Amino acid sequence: GQQLNQSPQSMFIQEGEDVSMNCTSSSIFNTWLWYKQEPGEGPVLLIALYKAGELTSNGRLTAQFGITRKDSFLNISASIPSDVGIYFCAGPRSNFGNEKLTFGTGTRLTIIP
Amino acid sequence: DSGVTQTPKHLITATGQRVTLRCSPRSGDLSVYWYQQSLDQGLQFLIQYYNGEERAKGNILERFSAQQFPDLHSELNLSSLELGDSALYFCASSASQSNYGYTFGSGTRLTVV
Repeated sequence: GQQLNQSPQSMFIQEGEDVSMNCTSSSIFNTWLWYKQEPGEGPVLLIALYKAGELTSNGRLTAQFGITRKDSFLNISASIPSDVGIYFCAGPRSNFGNEKLTFGTGTRLTIIP
Repeated sequence: DSGVTQTPKHLITATGQRVTLRCSPRSGDLSVYWYQQSLDQGLQFLIQYYNGEERAKGNILERFSAQQFPDLHSELNLSSLELGDSALYFCASSASQSNYGYTFGSGTRLTVV
């Protein structure tokens, strides 16, 4: 089935560093979503992207919809302890609502004190 | 509080037993999705309901079933439980014409012993 591959699988960084992660697919997606999951909680939507080439920010987070529509990137600037968690990319295969989402394999972010 | 309510939060049961997980979607959302997340794994889509009708089916075992009731709450039934069914089970909901992704509940952690 459809698979979204995320890299890196895990990251260990120091507070204040910038973070970059990406998500790739063998198929085209029309929407890219980035979620964050904290321990014991469900994923929370961070950023949604709807157009190839689109660059969208949410505070210190910036995400881009790749121009090939087969990839997306998430950057976090000046990381802080509350950024710890697992970051998932996700996408539906159409632009209509009510589509099931395919989730990526996740990038686990750990901040070293 | 995301607005999606899942009960119970934790469940411990023995192999061979049957359990029911419950989900109340966010007010106004017609779609409910069930996902399974095993230890340190990504989110695997199980099944989707829209306004009471099954809409899409993923990697859901025959021992598992779900339904959505007229008041839009949903139940996921897991029977003949095996040790490997231990996982976090998430419910998510979305509005009928939304492109903004899902809202997840906090999950039910099922432990089969």
